[in-house]
Amino acid sequence: GAVVSQHPSWVICKSGTSVKIECRSLDFQATTMFWYRQFPKQSLMLMATSNEGSKATYEQGVEKDKFLINHASLTLSTLTVTSAHPEDSSFYICSAGGQTTEAFFGQGTRLTVV
Amino acid sequence: TQLLEQSPQFLSIQEGENLTVYCNSSSVFSSLQWYRQEPGEGPVLLVTVVTGGEVKKLKRLTFQFGDARKDSSLHITAAQPGDTGLYLCAVGISSGSARQLTFGSGTQLTVLP
Repeated sequence: GAVVSQHPSWVICKSGTSVKIECRSLDFQATTMFWYRQFPKQSLMLMATSNEGSKATYEQGVEKDKFLINHASLTLSTLTVTSAHPEDSSFYICSAGGQTTEAFFGQGTRLTVV
Repeated sequence: TQLLEQSPQFLSIQEGENLTVYCNSSSVFSSLQWYRQEPGEGPVLLVTVVTGGEVKKLKRLTFQFGDARKDSSLHITAAQPGDTGLYLCAVGISSGSARQLTFGSGTQLTVLP
C-alpha cells in the first residue's frame, strides 16, 4: 500500500514554544490530508482537513490559530502547534489517500509539553 | 454523542479465550472498516465490509456487518498476546483525493499469556 511518513515520531517541548509536525506522502500525490488527535486510551478525533494550495478546514472546537496547517505541495502537509501548553500533549496522526479504498496513516507523533 | 459506539471499552482476557467486540450506530453506512492500533503507531486496516449481512474472515478474526448496515462485530477466536491493541471501527467519506474517517470510541484489548 501507499506510504505516509510522519516526522518527528516524538517531541518534547517547553510550554509556550511552537512545534512543527510533518506529514509526507512518499509514493503518491496527496491533494488532501487529514490531521487527527488522540488522547491516551481514547479514539482518534479529526482535527482538520489539509488542502493543497488552499486553507485548511477545521473541525468544530479546534482553534485554527493554535493549530496552523500548511499544505504547500502535493506530498507535504505540516501541522504547527503554536504556543504549546501541557493540555496540547497528545498523539497526532495524519492520513492521506484512500479515496475509494483504505486511508493510509502516518506513524504518529507523540507531543509532550512540559 | 458518538456516531459509532463500541463495546466493551476495555477487555482483558487470557490467551486462548474467545471475544467479541461490537460497533453500533443509529445511522446506515455504505461500508465500515475495522482498524487495529498498537501503542505509538498509526491505525492499520484489518477489513472493509460493504454488504449487509456480510461475513469476512481474517485468520482467527471474523467480521460481520449487520443486515441493516448500522452495526458490526469483530470476533476473535483463541486470542493470543499478539492480538493486544486498540480496535477501532470507522466509517468514511471521500473528500478530495482522500478518505476522511470517523472512528468509533475504541476497544482496548489486552490478552494475557
